[in-house]
Amino acid sequence: SQTIHQWPATLVQPVGSPLSLECTVEGTSNPNLYWYRQAAGRGLQLLFYSVGIGQISSEVPQNLSASRPQDRQFILSSKKLLLSDSGFYLCAWSVPDRENSPLHFGNGTRLTVT
Amino acid sequence: LAKTTQPVSMDSYEGQEVNITCSHNNIATNDYITWYQQFPSQGPRFIIQGYKTKVTNEVASLFIPADRKSSTLSLPRVSLSDTAVYYCLVGGDGSGNTGKLIFGQGTTLQVKP
Repeated sequence: SQTIHQWPATLVQPVGSPLSLECTVEGTSNPNLYWYRQAAGRGLQLLFYSVGIGQISSEVPQNLSASRPQDRQFILSSKKLLLSDSGFYLCAWSVPDRENSPLHFGNGTRLTVT
Repeated sequence: LAKTTQPVSMDSYEGQEVNITCSHNNIATNDYITWYQQFPSQGPRFIIQGYKTKVTNEVASLFIPADRKSSTLSLPRVSLSDTAVYYCLVGGDGSGNTGKLIFGQGTTLQVKP
C-alpha cells in the first residue's frame, strides 16, 4: 500500500532563518506531488505541484521554493522565513494521468515563525 | 474552474444522519465531485467521489442530481468522532494538465452527545 511521510511534525523557527520540509511517498511510482499551506481557520492553498523529477510548478508567488530531487521526494524550502510563512504545511500525492485521482495527504508540519 | 459553495458549519447529535450539500453551478462535463474530511492538525482524508447519480461506500453516500449542479454528502448515524471539517471539491487532481483543485473553507460539522 502507498504511504506518505512528512517531517518534522512541528517546527518553530525565527524570522530570517532557512526552512526545509521533506515529504516522501512509498508504494507508488511517478506520483504527482503537491505542497499546500493552511492558515489558521482557512482552507488549503496550493503552493507547488510536480508531475516528475525536477518539474515544479508554482501557484503563488512567495518566499518559498520547492524541489523534487527524486521520484518520490518533495522538498519545500525557504532561504529566509517571514512571519507570514507560519501555517500548516501539507504534502500530498495523486496517481498520475488520472484527472479524477483523489489527493492523499500527509499529516502535515505545523510551522511557527517567531 | 468550478467554484463550490457549502455551509460554513452544521451541528448534529450522535446517531443522526447528516447531509451536507455543496453547490457547484459551473461544473464542467469532465469534472468529478470529491469529498474530504479533515480533523484538527491532520491532513484531509479522501471520503468519497462521484460523477453522477449515487455512490456509496463504507463511510458515506454521495447523491448527485441529474444536472450535477449540486451534490449531497450523507453520513449515516454520526458519532462524536465524525466531528471534523468536510470539503467538497470539483475538478481534476490539480496536476498541470488537468486543472487545479480549490479547497474552500469547508463545512465544520460538530456532533454533540
